[in-house]
Amino acid sequence: KAGVTQTPRYLIKTRGQQVTLSCSPISGHRSVSWYQQTPGQGLQFLFEYFSETQRNKGNFPGRFSGRQFSNSRSEMNVSTLELGDSALYLCASSLRPRSTGYTFGSGTRLTVV
Amino acid sequence: ELKVEQNPLFLSMQEGKNYTIYCNYSTTSDRLYWYRQDPGKSLESLFVLLSNGAVKQEGRLMASLDTKARLSTLHITAAVHDLSATYFCAVVQYQMDSSYKLIFGSGTRLLVRP
Repeated sequence: KAGVTQTPRYLIKTRGQQVTLSCSPISGHRSVSWYQQTPGQGLQFLFEYFSETQRNKGNFPGRFSGRQFSNSRSEMNVSTLELGDSALYLCASSLRPRSTGYTFGSGTRLTVV
Repeated sequence: ELKVEQNPLFLSMQEGKNYTIYCNYSTTSDRLYWYRQDPGKSLESLFVLLSNGAVKQEGRLMASLDTKARLSTLHITAAVHDLSATYFCAVVQYQMDSSYKLIFGSGTRLLVRP
């Protein structure tokens, strides 16, 4: 059974550019959430999606956006990149919002230079 | 807003010793998770604790939950080098519409020395 797939694994971007990260959940899982991990702020919640709807958003600026497709795959986009956006971005999938298990992908390491 | 506090933040221990990591959270939640993270890697699920008094064990790790005290512990028995990693606890915060988010503690970096 395939796990949560995040692409790309590594990314280097320049300040001001934009980036799109992808997350394919475990087959059959319909709920996806995203988290940003930095040494200074730790793990912080970004978004939560279920049935193609963003139902919850963390305390991040509007430069951070995302969506979920009908096949439950999710993308997040960061526009006008800043140095502080350098982080490990993790997505987690679950069967539905009130599942007991949340499985994380390997993450996308974004470096902004 | 739910807050999750973990301590200690860093733990250096000798092989063979026992120790406990603590996770306190500020408001009611019906489930708590423990994850392990190796350097540069993702989060590996260790335990899901769903009810007051829940205790789960896997190898040298044992997790427990006291919902009344809003406290979970991760106990390490006879530590070995392979347990060196960062351990996170996380609590789920649900909204009325069942939307949710995981709130993580700061993590405990565990180093097991020979």
